[in-house]
Amino acid sequence: DIQMTQSPSSLSASVGDRVTITCRASHSISNYLAWYQQRPGKAPKVLIYKASSLASGVPSRFSGSGSGTEFTLTITSLQPDDFATYYCQQYFGLGTFGQGTKVEIK
Amino acid sequence: EVQLVESGGGLVQPGGSLRLSCAASGFTFSSYWMHWVRQAPGKGLVWVSRINSDGSSTSYADSVKGRFTISRDNAKNTLYLQMNSLRAEDTAVYYCARTVGGESADYWGQGTLVTVSS
Repeated sequence: DIQMTQSPSSLSASVGDRVTITCRASHSISNYLAWYQQRPGKAPKVLIYKASSLASGVPSRFSGSGSGTEFTLTITSLQPDDFATYYCQQYFGLGTFGQGTKVEIK
Repeated sequence: EVQLVESGGGLVQPGGSLRLSCAASGFTFSSYWMHWVRQAPGKGLVWVSRINSDGSSTSYADSVKGRFTISRDNAKNTLYLQMNSLRAEDTAVYYCARTVGGESADYWGQGTLVTVSS
């Protein structure tokens, strides 16, 4: 099974900050990686697919990069709506998620 | 408008069974793979199971293999998850989600809560 290790597990940031979240796969997954945002009590929402493709309707301040085993999600200029939990998911295999990163207000 | 609406959750005793449903509308259901993903209270997302578009192929997480069965009725635009031998650790909100083949999930339902407790 492919394991996904996401870091950090939480971070505090201010509006306008640049935020980077990292996801590492235990085996190469090519670019079969997605990033999701989840707000409390809501279903996840896809932000990025195929490691770097922006999903429809997602603001351009979100970007993804990486391939193989190392991936990053970057949010440039954090907005109030962005305080949420973020998950990576590999879909090279069955669909493992990372543990999540909670982005909190500093 | 794409809609996925889960139902069937509730309180069940350990060892019991429950069947979840996910009613799909607003798209050609039979063209998409479907998945179940769960989230225990205060915890992260965990992929549970998937089924391909015609129902001929299924996969499961090790934690539910042999206890859960995913199925679909393309004539009724509905996805199912039959859950048997339920354990306390199966307590979670269960989401259904759709994908184009084995790609990332672009639409999710709102979730249904399953509580396994005596």
